Parts: sequence; C-alpha cells; structure tokens
Amino acid sequence: EAQVTQNPRYLITVTGKKLTVTCSQNMNHEYMSWYRQDPGLGLRQIYYSMNVEVTDKGDVPEGYKVSRKEKRNFPLILESPSPNQTSLYFCASSFSPDGQPQHFGDGTRLSIL
Amino acid sequence: TQLLEQSPQFLSIQEGENLTVYCNSSSVFSSLQWYRQEPGEGPVLLVTVVTGGEVKKLKRLTFQFGDARKDSSLHITAAQPGDTGLYLCAGEQSAGNMLTFGGGTRLMVKP
Repeated sequence: EAQVTQNPRYLITVTGKKLTVTCSQNMNHEYMSWYRQDPGLGLRQIYYSMNVEVTDKGDVPEGYKVSRKEKRNFPLILESPSPNQTSLYFCASSFSPDGQPQHFGDGTRLSIL
Repeated sequence: TQLLEQSPQFLSIQEGENLTVYCNSSSVFSSLQWYRQEPGEGPVLLVTVVTGGEVKKLKRLTFQFGDARKDSSLHITAAQPGDTGLYLCAGEQSAGNMLTFGGGTRLMVKP
C-alpha cells in the first residue's frame, strides 16, 4: 500500500530536549516536505527536499533541521525544542513539487512543555 | 495576511443543505488544489484545477477555478455528515514553485 509513515504520532516532551520525527515513503517520490499546522494558519511549509542530499528552507524553518540521506526518508529534527514549536506536523511526498498531488502522512502531534 | 484566504473559516449546516466555500487571493496561480482533512489524518487530495474558468465535478462536489486564476470555489450539493472535515485549498504560483496553503474551512454537517 502506497503511504507516508510518520513516527511518533504523539509526543510530549520538555524544552531543550532534542527530538526527531521520522518520515518514510514507499512511492519512490523525489520530492518530500514538512509542514506544521496551527489553527487558522493552515499548513505552513518548514523544509522541503527535491531529492537525495538536496534540501531547502520553506516558509518557517527557524528551529528545525532536516536531512535527506536516502530517497525514502526525510526526518525532521528539533535540536532544542521550545513551546512555540508545539504543533501538528505533517510530512508529505510527491513525484515533483509543481502541481503534483501531495501524499500526506497522518501527522505527529508535538507538545513542548 | 495569508496569500490564500479561505472563507468562511467555520460552517455548520444541516444535512441536505447546499454550501459554497471560497479560496481567494490577489496573486495568480498556475494550478490550485483542494484537499479534505479528517481528524487524526493528513489532508487527502480531492481535485486539481489548472485552467482559468475550469469546472470539475466529483459526485456532489463542484470545483471552479476563477477566470483570472486568482480564486476558486467549492460547492457541495445536499451535504451529508460524511462531508464533515477541514477543506484546504493550496495554490502553486508558477510552475516549479511550492504549494501555498490557505487557512482552511472547517465544515460540520449535522444529521
């Protein structure tokens, strides 16, 4: 089954404790991205990757890092999480960014205390 | 101010009613997508519109792309409780650019 898998689905942690949210897709998609979703703001792009070893900042990259060592995986790293990063996070993938349908994971709800 | 403004933000209606939600911008988009998101899940693509004035139908859902490609609407006929969810529009400003999402319209259809 074609899917985008995120882990964990839920995480409560404390300020400053490094965390990683994993994202994996099995559709051989080249393009992957991370979004955060906050009430009334829709989805805002954090980082995206056009292919292996090619990443770039989206609209709200501050406080986040990503890596793309393999085509299928695109982890999101919060080196020193802060409460303003409490949000619902989505990973998405597609064959390309230009108008192709984005396939989303089921989301990761992060709470930073 | 968001690049894509969706209205209304919230809509609660009775089963069987018709409704229209809007996605507006002052910018031109080369394509526009509509997604529906249910609680605990990621957004799922409903449709992509590409040509100004284009109308696409998906059962009881009718999507229209404005002639100037700056706005779009989603009309639902005879809404059902299963239509409940968050509807998001997302636009691509020019070929190869990233998608920009609107703030969403949260629809509740009561039986």
